[in-house]
Amino acid sequence: GQNIDQPTEMTATEGAIVQINCTYQTSGFNGLFWYQQHAGEAPTFLSYNVLDGLEEKGRFSSFLSRSKGYSYLLLKELQMKDSASYLCAVRDSYSGAGSYQLTFGKGTKLSVIP
Amino acid sequence: DAGITQSPRHKVTETGTPVTLRCHQTENHRYMYWYRQDPGHGLRLIHYSYGVKDTDKGEVSDGYSVSRSKTEDFLLTLESATSSQTSVYFCAMGQGSDTQYFGPGTRLTVL
Repeated sequence: GQNIDQPTEMTATEGAIVQINCTYQTSGFNGLFWYQQHAGEAPTFLSYNVLDGLEEKGRFSSFLSRSKGYSYLLLKELQMKDSASYLCAVRDSYSGAGSYQLTFGKGTKLSVIP
Repeated sequence: DAGITQSPRHKVTETGTPVTLRCHQTENHRYMYWYRQDPGHGLRLIHYSYGVKDTDKGEVSDGYSVSRSKTEDFLLTLESATSSQTSVYFCAMGQGSDTQYFGPGTRLTVL
């Protein structure tokens, strides 16, 4: 099974940088995803890490350390539209029929204030 | 994602009635998933499908059944709805090891 922990809520100021942490304990690991979810909307894919290190995509970066069971999502130059929930999800090991399942954390609600 | 839709988007029903939610995708993805999302729990997998007529249970499958008669359609059925099944239901699609893409969600209220 999987256990995924992330902070429930965070607040940051427009224009600043914020780091959202995710720790996991897993029986198998085959990658970690970050999704963004605005209130009342569907989750949308942000980033994917399967190897250790930093993946950068514009204002968003994601880091993974497999040995520590740790990831973070870094958001730079925060904008009001970044106010949303950020979901950490771990993909487990292959479970048959070509299937990999995702286990999601409870999400971190980020509020960006002026 | 524009290639995946859900219907209905909102539904109110009474305890004990059957309910079917539909997910439709136009991307020819092999895998489809049903999740529910509740405050304090995050997204939890109900059932998934790895091909036409091939389905399997997820973490919270009790009280739910699914069917997939065509690649593009994945149905979730609550045989006899209960108040504990009040939730937001998301369908997702993927190609196995690839990213999962989510539909817009269905808000279900069971009175």
